Amino acid sequence: AQSVTQPDIHITVSEGASLELRCNYSYGATPYLFWYVQSPGQGLQLLLKYFSGDTLVQGIKGFEAEFKRSQSSFNLRKPSVHWSDAAEYFCAVGAAAAGNKLTFGGGTRVLVKP
Amino acid sequence: NAGVTQTPKFQVLKTGQSMTLQCAQDMNHEYMSWYRQDPGMGLRLIHYSVGAGITDQGEVPNGYNVSRSTTEDFPLRLLSAAPSQTSVYFCASRTGQLNTGELFFGEGSRLTVL
Repeated sequence: AQSVTQPDIHITVSEGASLELRCNYSYGATPYLFWYVQSPGQGLQLLLKYFSGDTLVQGIKGFEAEFKRSQSSFNLRKPSVHWSDAAEYFCAVGAAAAGNKLTFGGGTRVLVKP
Repeated sequence: NAGVTQTPKFQVLKTGQSMTLQCAQDMNHEYMSWYRQDPGMGLRLIHYSVGAGITDQGEVPNGYNVSRSTTEDFPLRLLSAAPSQTSVYFCASRTGQLNTGELFFGEGSRLTVL
């Protein structure tokens, strides 16, 4: 069965500083990997996704993520954080062999200090 | 463009009561799903449907029923509410397979069972 771990429950970062959110997955083959963002009181919005090819993927709002097969990781990064990036971030894994169902991590809540 | 619409946004129930959470999408998506979101546990899949007349269980289906009589609607029924079902519920839909279609989320329905 596939699983996702986000080791950091909360992260506080100063506005303008860089941000990295960790995601580790467990799956036998190469999975489909996603990052979603949830603003307070809202549903989830897709930031970026990885299926195959270039292991560094670009997403919306200036985010990028890197797939590292050897570390089973898909960490999310942003070079300079804006106050509007305060939200909860979810990593998710899926695979065609697993019925195309998405499994989510527990989430990381990001607080941005002025 | 409405996207995925969930009603109600908030609901308080007493233990043993029944209710239906409504979900409708206007994007002609074949795939629809229900998740529940609990602190620290991310989103967990309750039930999903790959098309009208077809439903299947997800990770946490007990206590919930679904049906899919039309492409647009995917209601979630709680037959006898329990305090453990206090949660935020999200409906999501997409077209095609996981690697070809983005999952779109509704804004959520917050349910409290007393």
